[in-house]
Amino acid sequence: ETGVTQSPTHLIKTRGQQVTLRCSSQSGHNTVSWYQQALGQGPQFIFQYYREEENGRGNFPPRFSGLQFPNYSSELNVNALELDDSALYLCASSLVPLGDYGYTFGSGTRLTVV
Amino acid sequence: GIQVEQSPPDLILQEGANSTLRCNFSDSVNNLQWFHQNPWGQLINLFYIPSGTKQNGRLSATTVATERYSLLYISSSQTTDSGVYFCRDPAQGGSEKLVFGKGTKLTVNP
Repeated sequence: ETGVTQSPTHLIKTRGQQVTLRCSSQSGHNTVSWYQQALGQGPQFIFQYYREEENGRGNFPPRFSGLQFPNYSSELNVNALELDDSALYLCASSLVPLGDYGYTFGSGTRLTVV
Repeated sequence: GIQVEQSPPDLILQEGANSTLRCNFSDSVNNLQWFHQNPWGQLINLFYIPSGTKQNGRLSATTVATERYSLLYISSSQTTDSGVYFCRDPAQGGSEKLVFGKGTKLTVNP
């Protein structure tokens, strides 16, 4: 059983640029969620995808968008990067309905915007 | 939306000590989970515990859903237990949003 893998692990971008972060879900999981975690804070929910459709969104602007593919892998796209977008981005996969193990998180992508 | 409060916000222990972390919810608890985030950022599942008590080695957790709280017990703490402990529960209403508390930062000194 593979876990959740994210790529890249670290990334440096310039303000105004666009970035794509990738996530491969745990085998058998059909739901993926994305989170932004600023330094010293808890993860903040960005959005969730189930069967390739967005089915929940947190308080993030439209320049944060995503995709889920038929194999349940996912992308997070952020346009017009701002300095405040610097954070650890985490994805988590799960099986709906939830099984005994709930959500499984990846190791994250640390994005630095300069 | 559902609110999560974790206490204490910070905890410093000597190796070998025991501790109890608490998570309070403003609404009913359905799918509570405890995580440990290590100093490198990795969030590790500890327990998925909607109700009752579970134990895994030195760690155990108890959720009292009717009273909207959960406790995480760490016994005989080790330096590798250091990091931030989060609890979470999906928001009500089917969107399955994960609502995290602000976490408890645990430092275990040798």
